[in-house]
Amino acid sequence: EPEVTQTPSHQVTQMGQEVILRCVPISNHLYFYWYRQILGQKVEFLVSFYNNEISEKSEIFDDQFSVERPDGSNFTLKIRSTKLEDSAMYFCASRRSDSTYGYTFGSGTRLTVV
Amino acid sequence: DQQVKQNSPSLSVQEGRISILNCDYTNSMFDYFLWYKKYPAEGPTFLISISSIKDKNEDGRFTVFLNKSAKHLSLHIVPSQPGDSAVYFCAASPGANSKLTFGKGITLSVRP
Repeated sequence: EPEVTQTPSHQVTQMGQEVILRCVPISNHLYFYWYRQILGQKVEFLVSFYNNEISEKSEIFDDQFSVERPDGSNFTLKIRSTKLEDSAMYFCASRRSDSTYGYTFGSGTRLTVV
Repeated sequence: DQQVKQNSPSLSVQEGRISILNCDYTNSMFDYFLWYKKYPAEGPTFLISISSIKDKNEDGRFTVFLNKSAKHLSLHIVPSQPGDSAVYFCAASPGANSKLTFGKGITLSVRP
């Protein structure tokens, strides 16, 4: 079964450093998303991406965040200057345009900012 | 702002019995509802969905019921199996391709 692949599985970074979280969505999917889950809290939407541009973003997704699909297969989330409160599990997801089919999520990247 | 509420944090059922997981929502714009299952250290896995034009959708042991007037949906798992033990998230969106708003999740434990 096709999978969404995320790397790394765990990243530890110092506060103020830049991090790039990487995702390889399923190849025939057209819509791409980043979500995050802070420990003990609900899964929160960050950003959606379609047709090589951001289609929607949440209040969390401020100027410190950016997304890119640099080569038609990878989908990256960059955090320019990490804060302690950015520590969370970050999930990439993708979906086809078929409305009866749910998102496919990756296994996540656990980001720890120290 | 809890637009999607899963008020019970946990549920424990005996193997072979029915598990009923409940979810309430407040946003009338939600049109599409999904259930996800999540094991530790893994991403959410899609289970089943329902659009607002239906009141029931069934897939094997899993059935989702939607009561639009009550803004309530439920996931029935029957018969429950120990492998069903996981965290279950209810999610909703205003359209099939829109962002998902998740509930806090409910931890289901199925006792052998």
